[in-house]
Amino acid sequence: DAGITQSPRHKVTETGTPVTLRCHQTENHRYMYWYRQDPGHGLRLIHYSYGVKDTDKGEVSDGYSVSRSKTEDFLLTLESATSSQTSVYFCAISANGQGETQYFGPGTRLLVL
Amino acid sequence: AQSVTQLDSQVPVFEEAPVELRCNYSSSVSVYLFWYVQYPNQGLQLLLKYLSGSTLVKGINGFEAEFNKSQTSFHLRKPSVHISDTAEYFCAVSEGSTLGRLYFGRGTQLTVWP
Repeated sequence: DAGITQSPRHKVTETGTPVTLRCHQTENHRYMYWYRQDPGHGLRLIHYSYGVKDTDKGEVSDGYSVSRSKTEDFLLTLESATSSQTSVYFCAISANGQGETQYFGPGTRLLVL
Repeated sequence: AQSVTQLDSQVPVFEEAPVELRCNYSSSVSVYLFWYVQYPNQGLQLLLKYLSGSTLVKGINGFEAEFNKSQTSFHLRKPSVHISDTAEYFCAVSEGSTLGRLYFGRGTQLTVWP
């Protein structure tokens, strides 16, 4: 299994509070991705990174920001959590972008009350 | 942006029966195609992928998929399923120019009954 950890694994928070999720990898892969999974929607890309300090938006980026200051860490921040951001968040990594297998972390379950 | 359609949200089958999970995508430009499996409370695991070459791709756990460019389809098949194949299956597409970002279908829940 690829060395990917996500923290926390579960979180309950209140509307309006900031939340940061962490993805940590030990594979030295260049590309990292944040997805959210919701019933009936599959997985949707929030943000991705193609190198340290190089990030770009995905299809559902509103209300989220990311940072990547080191190869191994990719942080996802919900600036002011809303109930619509209740979801399961997955981090993925790949060595190179095109055609490469993405390896997924175990996920973080977030509940926003 | 790509649109990925998984035509069946739920597929119930009996053990040892064959199964086909259908996937269609929207664009005919150069694409890479993937099938992932998700077991309960776990992350996604790659089953197989198509990059180029032979249109029939074999994956893990006895699964295979066939790329059909004219029909923009990438259907997943297994000739004989087991109880342990019960899981959610996701089709995903990546375009050559998008730094590997994946577009996922909504998933198909495969339930295998004894």
